[in-house]
Formats: sequence, structure tokens, C-alpha cells
Amino acid sequence: DAGITQSPRHKVTETGTPVTLRCHQTENHRYMYWYRQDPGHGLRLIHYSYGVKDTDKGEVSDGYSVSRSKTEDFLLTLESATSSQTSVYFCAISSQGAPTNEQFFGPGTRLTVL
Amino acid sequence: DAKTTQPNSMESNEEEPVHLPCNHSTISGTDYIHWYRQLPSQGPEYVIHGLTSNVNNRMASLAIAEDRKSSTLILHRATLRDAAVYYCILLTQGGSEKLVFGKGTKLTVNP
Repeated sequence: DAGITQSPRHKVTETGTPVTLRCHQTENHRYMYWYRQDPGHGLRLIHYSYGVKDTDKGEVSDGYSVSRSKTEDFLLTLESATSSQTSVYFCAISSQGAPTNEQFFGPGTRLTVL
Repeated sequence: DAKTTQPNSMESNEEEPVHLPCNHSTISGTDYIHWYRQLPSQGPEYVIHGLTSNVNNRMASLAIAEDRKSSTLILHRATLRDAAVYYCILLTQGGSEKLVFGKGTKLTVNP
């Protein structure tokens, strides 16, 4: 299995509070991604990174920011959490970009915003 | 993005082959065909990908039609662990980084 971990694995927070999710990899892969998965919507890309300090938006980036100061860590921050951000968040890594890349996914973080 | 169409669900018996179809009639010449699967309560898992030729790996085989408008993921001997939702996804050279997961095919494997 690819060395990819996510923390925390579960979090319950209140509306309006900031939340940071961490994705950590030991594979030295260049690309890292954050997705969210909701019933009826499948997986949707939030942000991705193609190198240290290089990030770009996905299709549902509003309300989220990311940072990548080291190859191995990709942080997803919800500046002020809302109930609509209750979801399961998956991090993925890849050694190459599309279209030939295979993405390896982490175990997910279940976030509940009350 | 080119679209894919998959059956909502399929059923198989353990130790029998499974053929999961995917239609992608609007595929372009630079679109790669990827398959991922997601087991219950887990993140998606890469299965296989190809461009024009059939591909084999330890998990499955990918058969691509000559006109590339359809493809079939083949699991040679289904096990209970293969019960998952299978997604057929197209990725374009020079296109978006994102994997667009549609509804996929839910595979049930009967013992």
C-alpha cells in the first residue's frame, strides 16, 4: 500500500470554527490532491498540488484553502466551517500528472460540522 | 470532459469471471481510460488504465474496443473482496488533473 496517512480520521466541530486536515505521504510523490465525497455527488476535487508551494483549484474550492510547504505534507483548511462542509475527505497522491497517472488514496477523514 | 456510461449494478458468483462494461462514445484520441474501485468505507483504489491496446495487471484486464467507444474491465475470478463500486473514468492529455467519478457500477459477489 502507498504510504499515505490522513489526520484526524474523525472530527466533529461547530459552525464557524477553523479546521485543518493533514495529509502525509512517505512516497515522495510530486502530486497531491484533496477530494470530498458526498452521497449523490460522488468524489469531487477540492484542490491539488503539483509541487512544493504549487497548488491549484479544483471544482469545489470555495471555502477551502491549502498549503504545501514540504513534499510530504498537504494541508486542507476550512477557514470557517459550515454545515455544508460535512463530508468525507480523501487525500490522494500521484507520481505523475494526468492522464497517465494512477492516484493512491488515503483512508479518509470524516468531518461533521454541527 | 468526455462522458462514460456504466450499468448501475451487476451481480456475479464467487470464482467466476466478471465483465464490467463502460461506454464512452465521445472519447477523443488523447483520452486515457482509467478504472478505479471503491470498497465499502474505504478510499478509491486504482485498478488499471489504457489508451488503445488491451492491458493486463495483477488485479484485472482491460479490453478496449477497436473504435475505443467502449471498454470492459475483466476480473478473471471474482472473490468476495471484489464487491465494490467500479468507476470508469477518462483522462485527457493536457487536460484537467481531476478524476471525475460518476455513479459507477456496484458489483455484488455472491458466495
